[in-house]
Amino acid sequence: GAVVSQHPSWVICKSGTSVKIECRSLDFQATTMFWYRQFPKQSLMLMATSNEGSKATYEQGVEKDKFLINHASLTLSTLTVTSAHPEDSSFYICSAHMTSGGAETQYFGPGTRLLVL
Amino acid sequence: AQSVTQLGSHVSVSEGALVLLRCNYSSSVPPYLFWYVQYPNQGLQLLLKYTSAATLVKGINGFEAEFKKSETSFHLTKPSAHMSDAAEYFCAVSGGTGGFKTIFGAGTRLFVKA
Repeated sequence: GAVVSQHPSWVICKSGTSVKIECRSLDFQATTMFWYRQFPKQSLMLMATSNEGSKATYEQGVEKDKFLINHASLTLSTLTVTSAHPEDSSFYICSAHMTSGGAETQYFGPGTRLLVL
Repeated sequence: AQSVTQLGSHVSVSEGALVLLRCNYSSSVPPYLFWYVQYPNQGLQLLLKYTSAATLVKGINGFEAEFKKSETSFHLTKPSAHMSDAAEYFCAVSGGTGGFKTIFGAGTRLFVKA
């Protein structure tokens, strides 16, 4: 089946620094990718929809200047957490949307665990 | 707007007993419905999905779910629980007015007692 990778799988950074997380669709092209955030013992919350070649669409309450999304190619979307603070520590999961044979499927990455000290 | 409600944040069953995890959705027709499982410190694994074909959907690991439009439900069942089924389960909906994005329920943690 289709595979989506995330890099890094985990990252620890100091407060105030920026962290970039990559989401790649390894064997298919994805014009649309999604970014989710999951706090401990909670559900996945959609942060934004990443569209190749255009600006991302952010969900209500998500700061677009803090969570920068770039979808520069059909296989790569990046999420940059700018000036990270401890409250940004979370599990970040991306997904890539694929349409094949009239069927639409989302494939999820393995997640990136971010810890801000 | 689409939404998903999972009834019961925790469910505990004995090994070998029936597993029933409840999910109700709100969406315009036709929704796509999913069940995912998440083991501790891991990503999501798709158990099964409903895409307007058969209303009874069979998934991996012996799980199945039935789409009931009249009840707006998509409950997940497994006839006999195994210790390895202990995990967090998420019901999710996409499609309709929500487009491609997936909205997740709050999750249900399944405990399996020996």
